[in-house]
Amino acid sequence: SQQGEEDPQALSIQEGENATMNCSYKTSINNLQWYRQNSGRGLVHLILIRSNEREKHSGRLRVTLDTSKKSSSLLITASRAADTASYFCATVGGYSTLTFGKGTMLLVSP
Amino acid sequence: ETGVTQTPRHLVMGMTNKKSLKCEQHLGHNAMYWYKQSAKKPLELMFVYNFKEQTENNSVPSRFSPECPNSSHLFLHLHTLQPEDSALYLCASSRRDRGATNEKLFFGSGTQLSVL
Repeated sequence: SQQGEEDPQALSIQEGENATMNCSYKTSINNLQWYRQNSGRGLVHLILIRSNEREKHSGRLRVTLDTSKKSSSLLITASRAADTASYFCATVGGYSTLTFGKGTMLLVSP
Repeated sequence: ETGVTQTPRHLVMGMTNKKSLKCEQHLGHNAMYWYKQSAKKPLELMFVYNFKEQTENNSVPSRFSPECPNSSHLFLHLHTLQPEDSALYLCASSRRDRGATNEKLFFGSGTQLSVL
């Protein structure tokens, strides 16, 4: 399975701090995506990084991809209470559909 | 608002009931998906429809029956469910081009299902 696995399972930080979440996967991929989910709601796409890219930025988000280690990280800088949510990585290999990990639950305290 | 609408938001049903979940997308996408999200588990892909044709069925029990009458609408018909089927059911859509691998999914808010 190419399912991503996020680490840590839960992360608690103060507003203004940076939050880093990691994702590891098992097989080769075409791209890796990060999604966010507020409690009891649907997932929202945050950012996509292709297998030939090493780093990507979007606002306060920074994603890295290391295909040799089969891992990715999501960094949220200057976190806010509104960033409190679960974050999922999802991988795509070949023509298959996205497969998701269990997610990292982020709590940002004011 | 993601452009994907799911109804109802909450559903409580007994094990002998028959109910249906509805999903509608206003994004002009051609692929639609059902995912199941249970506590402490990864999202489980249940069904994929591409241009109204079912292209994936991940060994889902027959008590779940999908229907895709057109590219904008997707249903999940439920009958004789078990308590362990209680979960958040998420619908998603995407623009799936032939051979494309960089599609991103747009999710609805989900239906929180409780089976008593």
